[in-house]
Amino acid sequence: GAGVSQSPSNKVTEKGKDVELRCDPISGHTALYWYRQSLGQGLEFLIYFQGNSAPDKSGLPSDRFSAERTGGSVSTLTIQRTQQEDSAVYLCASSSPRHREPSSYEQYFGPGTRLTVT
Amino acid sequence: AQSVTQLGSHVSVSEGALVLLRCNYSSSVPPYLFWYVQYPNQGLQLLLKYTSAATLVKGINGFEAEFKKSETSFHLTKPSAHMSDAAEYFCASSRANSKLTFGKGITLSVRP
Repeated sequence: GAGVSQSPSNKVTEKGKDVELRCDPISGHTALYWYRQSLGQGLEFLIYFQGNSAPDKSGLPSDRFSAERTGGSVSTLTIQRTQQEDSAVYLCASSSPRHREPSSYEQYFGPGTRLTVT
Repeated sequence: AQSVTQLGSHVSVSEGALVLLRCNYSSSVPPYLFWYVQYPNQGLQLLLKYTSAATLVKGINGFEAEFKKSETSFHLTKPSAHMSDAAEYFCASSRANSKLTFGKGITLSVRP
């Protein structure tokens, strides 16, 4: 079946502009995660959506970052007033966790969106 | 808070040699542990996972890892390296169905 898809694959934007990154999770997956991969910081957690629960936003680095998940499926990560330090690869992952079944906690990753802020 | 330590940033082995990539976790309660591989310009692919069942876990492409609680370790091994194993490898941990905490990653090079 189809995996996690992300668009665009590459995005170049000018400092101060807003950008939107999209993630299409695997169909039926209830959990969706955003991570950021940068040279200086490695792989960092940003935000986590699980079903209808309030998202875990504890990893968002500033209030310029926000994300939403519509209809329990597609998610959009928005970065407002982009800064050069926002340049990174943004990875989305999804999973289909089942209570008390740890083997179901595996996260499947998309190919990422490479964001370059000039 | 959880943390994952991967010592070193680069490992180089000869084709056919043993691959050993080290990972140590820090957690008061043993977490779930994962090894992911990332090929250039691609996303992360799961190699194997430890979810409190068998301590010796076998994954794809001939890789395996052993969970050792006494050493808080989850080292990745492969008996014989292949050129196609050259990639970046990440160890990660999580608590139940939650975010992954990643190590810094290690680049594996394979010499012909």
